[in-house]
Amino acid sequence: GAVVSQHPSWVICKSGTSVKIECRSLDFQATTMFWYRQFPKQSLMLMATSNEGSKATYEQGVEKDKFLINHASLTLSTLTVTSAHPEDSSFYICSASPVSGTGGANYEQYFGPGTRLTVT
Amino acid sequence: KNQVEQSPQSLIILEGKNCTLQCNYTVSPFSNLRWYKQDTGRGPVSLTIMTFSENTKSNGRYTATLDADTKQSSLHITASQLSDSASYICVVSAIGGNNRLAFGKGNQVVVIP
Repeated sequence: GAVVSQHPSWVICKSGTSVKIECRSLDFQATTMFWYRQFPKQSLMLMATSNEGSKATYEQGVEKDKFLINHASLTLSTLTVTSAHPEDSSFYICSASPVSGTGGANYEQYFGPGTRLTVT
Repeated sequence: KNQVEQSPQSLIILEGKNCTLQCNYTVSPFSNLRWYKQDTGRGPVSLTIMTFSENTKSNGRYTATLDADTKQSSLHITASQLSDSASYICVVSAIGGNNRLAFGKGNQVVVIP
């Protein structure tokens, strides 16, 4: 139980285009989903926290107009990288915290497998 | 300064040998500490989670310890296997932190035959 999926697992796009990454909780409902970015040999860096049905809370230094987050349902959150540039190339990981009683421990964060974004 | 420090940054061990990874943290007030295993190009997978009252927890060949007084944790890998090659990340959360996690940079372990 408590499985989180991401799609796509990897994507290559041209500079200036937009890319959407999906994060789904497959067997539980998640009130809160988190989006992280990880550069090589670095720890995960929290980009934003999203709660279902409300606007995402972005970390300092993360441009909300560039990284659009939508959490439209209890099982799906999306991250759209708009007008991507080579410096946006990174490993993007989402995590989800279960609604109590829907599967998994509600204090736990279950991570997706990540999406490798390469902007050329 | 990072709230979670891990050491050693990397190590190489022979298959079948044991190793111990260290984690020191300053997160306060402490809620829980987790160890994750992250394979290259994959998301983190939870190994153990410990609260204030727990000082040891095992998951197969992985045993984590916690000393909440000294704010230290360790992860011991017994009889290492090639598949143990990964980054091991120590993650700490604070009470009332809205499930916000503080991540260490990870211990990169390479197991060689």
